Amino acid sequence: EDKVVQSPLSLVVHEGDTVTLNCSYEVTNFRSLLWYKQEKKAPTFLFMLTSSGIEKKSGRLSSILDKKELFSILNITATQTGDSAVYLCAVNAGGTSYGKLTFGQGTILTVHP
Amino acid sequence: DADVTQTPRNRITKTGKRIMLECSQTKGHDRMYWYRQDPGLGLRLIYYSFDVKDINKGEISDGYSVSRQAQAKFSLSLESAIPNQTALYFCATSDQGRPGGYTFGSGTRLTVV
Repeated sequence: EDKVVQSPLSLVVHEGDTVTLNCSYEVTNFRSLLWYKQEKKAPTFLFMLTSSGIEKKSGRLSSILDKKELFSILNITATQTGDSAVYLCAVNAGGTSYGKLTFGQGTILTVHP
Repeated sequence: DADVTQTPRNRITKTGKRIMLECSQTKGHDRMYWYRQDPGLGLRLIYYSFDVKDINKGEISDGYSVSRQAQAKFSLSLESAIPNQTALYFCATSDQGRPGGYTFGSGTRLTVV
């Protein structure tokens, strides 16, 4: 059974801090790992990672994948109150599962002014 | 108009009632999914469909059924609602050419009393 585990489950920081969110996985036929941000309702896409060691960046957010150690991290630098959200990690596996995502529990990030 | 539309947005129903949640999309995607989200558990897959004639159970399909009426429509039914089906339900779509690149609906918050 495919499994995705995120840590920490919740995190409280102050504006300006840097945070690192973790995602580890155990899946057969790994194809890609995705990060989503969920504020009020629907998750919104952040990154899709398929190759080890290649950092994806978008503004203050960045993410990297390690396919040997089976994990990914999401970094947020100079956090702002608008970064407060649930961050979801998901893995897309191959074979008959190809296309459907297995999600982790999510990390609740709270950024105080 | 939203690319993926879920109706209703919120619903309160009584234990034992049959209820249908509807999802329609204008993305032209072939793949559609139903997930439920509970606090601390992330998103869990209920059912998915890779085309109109293809319906597959996810990890938590017991107590649910689905109907893919057309490429653009995918409905989720609770035959006899129970309180532990109280959750936030998401419909999502993806394209065969970019599996894992989901577009989410805004969600349906269902409360079973």
